[in-house]
Amino acid sequence: EIVVTQSPDFQSLTPKEKVTITCRASQTIGSSLHWFQQKPGQSPKLVVKYASQSISGVPSRFSGSGYGTDFTLTIDTLEAEDAATYYCYQSSRLPYTFGQGTKLEIK
Amino acid sequence: QVQLQESGPGVVKPSGTLSLICTVSGASISSRDWWIWVRRPPGKGLEWIGEVYPTGSSNIKPSLRSRVTLSVDKSRNQFSLTLTSVTAADAAIYYCVRSHQTGVALIHLQDWGQGALVTVSS
Repeated sequence: EIVVTQSPDFQSLTPKEKVTITCRASQTIGSSLHWFQQKPGQSPKLVVKYASQSISGVPSRFSGSGYGTDFTLTIDTLEAEDAATYYCYQSSRLPYTFGQGTKLEIK
Repeated sequence: QVQLQESGPGVVKPSGTLSLICTVSGASISSRDWWIWVRRPPGKGLEWIGEVYPTGSSNIKPSLRSRVTLSVDKSRNQFSLTLTSVTAADAAIYYCVRSHQTGVALIHLQDWGQGALVTVSS
């Protein structure tokens, strides 16, 4: 099973700051890495697919990069509505697996 | 717009069987999409349980494989999860999800249900 490790587990920032969340896979997965946002009481929502591809309807301040084993999700110019837990997810090899999550707090 | 809705008992007894159904609207269960179950235990992160294709072919997380059955009901446009020998560790919000096959690529976990809370209690 591919283990996907996110860092940090928690981050607290103020509006307009920039945040970078990283995800490391235990084996190379090419670009088969996706990012999800989950707000309290809501279902997860796809915000970046295949490492760096944008999703229609997702603000352009969300972007992803990486290939192989190391990936990043960047949110430029944070807004209060970005407070959520973010998960990465690998779809390269079964069983598919999620990272443990990164909780983002906006002060 | 595709919508998924989970249904099933909110409480299951220890050692009992958890059965959930996902009703799909706005898309055909017979399409080339994959239909997935994900859960989130209280205070923990997301866990991929498994996926089922319209043909009935499925892939299940190895640690759950002996207890999980996934199936599709084309006549009702539904898919289902059955989990046997339930313990407290199976308490979670269970989500049904669609991975959508476009002409170019599979969009993983594109559409989610609102989630069904399952408690394990006698």
